[in-house]
Amino acid sequence: QSALTQPASVSGSPGQSITISCTGASSDVGTYNLVSWYQQHPGKAPKLMIYEVSKRPSGVSNRFSSSKSGNTASLTISGLQAEDEADYYCCSYAVWGVFGTGTKVTVL
Amino acid sequence: EVQLVQSGAEVKKPGESLKISCKGSAYSFTSYWIGWVRQVPGKGLEWMGIIYPGDSDTKYSPSFQGQVTISADKSISTAYLQWSSLRASDTAMYYCARAVAGTWSAFDIWGQGTMVTVSS
Repeated sequence: QSALTQPASVSGSPGQSITISCTGASSDVGTYNLVSWYQQHPGKAPKLMIYEVSKRPSGVSNRFSSSKSGNTASLTISGLQAEDEADYYCCSYAVWGVFGTGTKVTVL
Repeated sequence: EVQLVQSGAEVKKPGESLKISCKGSAYSFTSYWIGWVRQVPGKGLEWMGIIYPGDSDTKYSPSFQGQVTISADKSISTAYLQWSSLRASDTAMYYCARAVAGTWSAFDIWGQGTMVTVSS
């Protein structure tokens, strides 16, 4: 079970929407609705943004949404804000967990 | 406030042993999975393993199976990550994290991290 594949970087202007992809395999992303997404600012612990593909924890902005199709999950950030600039990681599970390679989001 | 508080930074030599801790508070420690995540400086997150303190059921990533041991002492609400013989490649930040209720597939509460430096 290799690391899930994410684009290294994604950028957008304030107010725009961006989408980050997360590609796994039929044995993890493709089979289980257990994809989660984390936001990590420099020097900070990760923060859970989405779990079980589309559930948002209490306190997470509804500007963050996620979906899954086949072996690929996607995180969409709408109404991009300066504070959204961070690294984002997806995570999926089969017998154990595996994180994605990470995506640096830059707000132009 | 639900919290996970990790032990402090460590500097060790190759071959030495180490055990770092993660203490939970303000929730039922035995009812939630606790996981460990590694982050090498400048690199991404790596899922290491997870334990259910209620019955010590443990799952490891194959990448870390046999390299580390995850344990928990429910009497003091503390989870542990230990090495018997450290290597320079173990230098990283280690996070413990609590899983979302009813699942072990997502971590909603994170510790502050423990930096482990292994150098001769």
